[in-house]
Amino acid sequence: AQSVTQPDIHITVSEGASLELRCNYSYGATPYLFWYVQSPGQGLQLLLKYFSGDTLVQGIKGFEAEFKRSQSSFNLRKPSVHWSDAAEYFCAVSGGSYIPTFGRGTSLIVHP
Amino acid sequence: SAVISQKPSRDICQRGTSLTIQCQVDSQVTMMFWYRQQPGQSLTLIATANQGSEATYESGFVIDKFPISRPNLTFSTLTVSNMSPEDSSIYLCSVVEGAEQYFGPGTRLTVT
Repeated sequence: AQSVTQPDIHITVSEGASLELRCNYSYGATPYLFWYVQSPGQGLQLLLKYFSGDTLVQGIKGFEAEFKRSQSSFNLRKPSVHWSDAAEYFCAVSGGSYIPTFGRGTSLIVHP
Repeated sequence: SAVISQKPSRDICQRGTSLTIQCQVDSQVTMMFWYRQQPGQSLTLIATANQGSEATYESGFVIDKFPISRPNLTFSTLTVSNMSPEDSSIYLCSVVEGAEQYFGPGTRLTVT
């Protein structure tokens, strides 16, 4: 069965600082990997996805993620965080069914 | 990309009553999904709804508690029956299009 681990429940960064959110997955074959963002009171928005090819994936809002098969990881990064990035971030993995399994989420807090 | 709307956006309901949540998609899709997001938790898949067939429920969810209708390729409803405070959650509708999953804005349900 597929699973996702997001080891950090909360992350606090200062505005302008760099950000890395961790995600580890378990899946028997080549996974499809996703990062979603959920702002307060909002639905989920897809930030980026990895299906195949280049392991460094660019997404919206200046985010990127790197797929590392050897580490079963798909960490999300941003070089400079903005106050509007404060939200809940979910990593997800899926296979051929395209139905993802979500991690528990990481809450990003941005200090001015 | 699919655009999904949900009604109502939020509701406060009495224990023992039922609430029906509507999900409308702006394109025809084969599969629609219903998720629950309990406070501070990740997303849990309730069921998959295909047009013209019975919904497929995940472990821990039953049709009597969460009946689902799928009358056509753009619409679905989820009913939360005989509600208790433990049903207080955000309920999200989603669809898969082009191997990506899109989510509605969610229905925030509070049961008193």
